Amino acid sequence: AQSVTQPDIHITVSEGASLELRCNYSYGATPYLFWYVQSPGQGLQLLLKYFSGDTLVQGIKGFEAEFKRSQSSFNLRKPSVHWSDAAEYFCAFVSGGGADGLTFGKGTHLIIQP
Amino acid sequence: DAGVIQSPRHEVTEMGQEVTLRCKPISGHDYLFWYRQTMMRGLELLIYFNNNVPIDDSGMPEDRFSAKMPNASFSTLKIQPSEPRDSAVYFCASSPLNRNYGYTFGSGTRLTVV
Repeated sequence: AQSVTQPDIHITVSEGASLELRCNYSYGATPYLFWYVQSPGQGLQLLLKYFSGDTLVQGIKGFEAEFKRSQSSFNLRKPSVHWSDAAEYFCAFVSGGGADGLTFGKGTHLIIQP
Repeated sequence: DAGVIQSPRHEVTEMGQEVTLRCKPISGHDYLFWYRQTMMRGLELLIYFNNNVPIDDSGMPEDRFSAKMPNASFSTLKIQPSEPRDSAVYFCASSPLNRNYGYTFGSGTRLTVV
C-alpha cells in the first residue's frame, strides 16, 4: 500500500543547531513529495516540493530536502534552526499521476531549546 | 488572492445536531479536498472534487458525512447527526490542475461535539 512514514514523533534541537527530519515513502514509482509545516492552531503551509529533476530542492524559510530514490527517502534539513521553527512538520506524497489527494505522514513535532 | 477560506474557525455543537462546514477555494483552482485531523489518526483525506464533481469519497467515514460543491467557489461538508467522535480539525485545500504549484490549505475549522 502507498504510505509515508515519519519515524520521529518528537525531535528536540538547540537553537542555532542543524536539523534533519526523516521521511520515507512506500510507492512503486517516483511520487510527488511535499513537506508542510503547521504552527499551533494554524493551517498547513507548504515548505517545498519535489516532482522531478534536481534531487536537492530548496524551500521557504531556509529549508531544503533531498530526494533519494535508493533509500525511498525525502529528508528535510535546515543548517541553523530558529526558535520560530518550533512546529509540527508533515511529509506528504501524491502518486506520480497526481490524480489523488495528498497522503500524509503522522508528523514530527519539533521543539527548539534556547 | 485571499487563499482558501474556511468558516467557521470554531464550532461547538451538541451531539445529534447538524453541522455544516464551509470552504471557498482559490479562484481558478480545479481541485478541492476535505481533510480531517485528529491526534489518533493524523491527517485523513475525506473526499475530493475535480471541477465541482466528486471524484473519490472513499475516505468519508460514515453516511452521516456528506459533501457538496455546487459551484467552483464554494463547498460544504455536512455532518448529520454529529457525534462526539467527530470532534477534530477539518481542513479544506485546493490545487490547480498542474500539481506543480502544490496544494493550498485553509486555516481549518475546529469542531467540538459535546
